[in-house]
Amino acid sequence: GNSVTQMEGPVTLSEEAFLTINCTYTATGYPSLFWYVQYPGEGLQLLLKATKADDKGSNKGFEATYRKETTSFHLEKGSVQVSDSAVYFCALSGRNQFYFGTGTSLTVIP
Amino acid sequence: EAGVAQSPRYKIIEKRQSVAFWCNPISGHATLYWYQQILGQGPKLLIQFQNNGVVDDSQLPKDRFSAERLKGVDSTLKIQPAKLEDSAVYLCASSLDPGGRVYEQYFGPGTRLTVT
Repeated sequence: GNSVTQMEGPVTLSEEAFLTINCTYTATGYPSLFWYVQYPGEGLQLLLKATKADDKGSNKGFEATYRKETTSFHLEKGSVQVSDSAVYFCALSGRNQFYFGTGTSLTVIP
Repeated sequence: EAGVAQSPRYKIIEKRQSVAFWCNPISGHATLYWYQQILGQGPKLLIQFQNNGVVDDSQLPKDRFSAERLKGVDSTLKIQPAKLEDSAVYLCASSLDPGGRVYEQYFGPGTRLTVT
């Protein structure tokens, strides 16, 4: 079946540090992959997505590359800001269903 | 463009009571989703509608949960009777296509349910 596994948090970083949040998936067929972000008290927002192997999604300085050979979609940002503090969810879309990971909480301190 | 609307934002009920949540998707979005998000976990899909038809309700506890989308626009999710383990945030989302390959899902702010 389809599933997503992402690194457990919480993650605490200093401002301007490099961020990596690992995400691996199990899927049949050719899923699309997503990163969603949830700020405190708000609903989920799409951060970036990739619909086929080797695609790179990017937005707001965040990037993730769809790696079929390693079944991964790791989220990276070169220099985090305090405003990036949120919970990040990796997700995949397969057979018209969405599967979310458990989320990784990120706190960025000044 | 108005976003996905949900009400109420918060609800506290006692176990064995009933509760209903309402969602109004973005205008023109054919696909509507209800998710349950338990604290510390990712959203779990409960039911997915395409227009007013059910595409997937395999994870909906049908003995106590029900949902409808009668006119293919807004939707209601009901729990009757509620259990303590139903305490969660209930998220509604909508999209133009069911697979997310072309169009993203847009989420509402959620309804936080506490069952005491």
